Amino acid sequence: EAQVTQNPRYLITVTGKKLTVTCSQNMNHEYMSWYRQDPGLGLRQIYYSMNVEVTDKGDVPEGYKVSRKEKRNFPLILESPSPNQTSLYFCVSGYEQYFGPGTRLTVT
Amino acid sequence: RKEVEQDPGPFNVPEGATVAFNCTYSNSASQSFFWYRQDCRKEPKLLMSVYSSGNEDGRFTAQLNRASQYISLLIRDSKLSDSATYLCVVNKRGGGADGLTFGKGTHLIIQP
Repeated sequence: EAQVTQNPRYLITVTGKKLTVTCSQNMNHEYMSWYRQDPGLGLRQIYYSMNVEVTDKGDVPEGYKVSRKEKRNFPLILESPSPNQTSLYFCVSGYEQYFGPGTRLTVT
Repeated sequence: RKEVEQDPGPFNVPEGATVAFNCTYSNSASQSFFWYRQDCRKEPKLLMSVYSSGNEDGRFTAQLNRASQYISLLIRDSKLSDSATYLCVVNKRGGGADGLTFGKGTHLIIQP
């Protein structure tokens, strides 16, 4: 079954504590990306990757890092989370845009 | 003009009715257009692509008007299960998935 998985699904953390949200796809897609969704602002792209070792900034990259060491995984890293990064995060795979189930992050 | 603009609604529509909503986009060079559906607290899912010639999938019809830069979605014989938020999506830079811009969505409520 074609799948995009994200972990964790829910996370409450404190300001400044580094965290990683993992994303994995089993469809052999070259393209992957991360979005955040906030009330009133909609979905905004954070980073995207066209292939292994190829990443680029989206519309709101500040405060985030990504890596793409292998095709199936595209983790999102928050080195020093802040409350304004409280949001719903989606990993997306493929040009057809298969969304993962989302990670609800709260930073206190 | 916002890149992709939608009426947020909510649209309250009786079951069985036909409902239509539009989306306007600002970049005349945009090439790819889509409608996504998002249920409450769930991930968006692709509903249909929008082609220049228009396309139909069951009760759903999508149209593209390049001259006026808008996309429409028509739902016929609406069902309770059609209640959701519908996102209009347009590619920003004229090609490639890296340039997709999502509208903020139109909230649809089908009432029994």
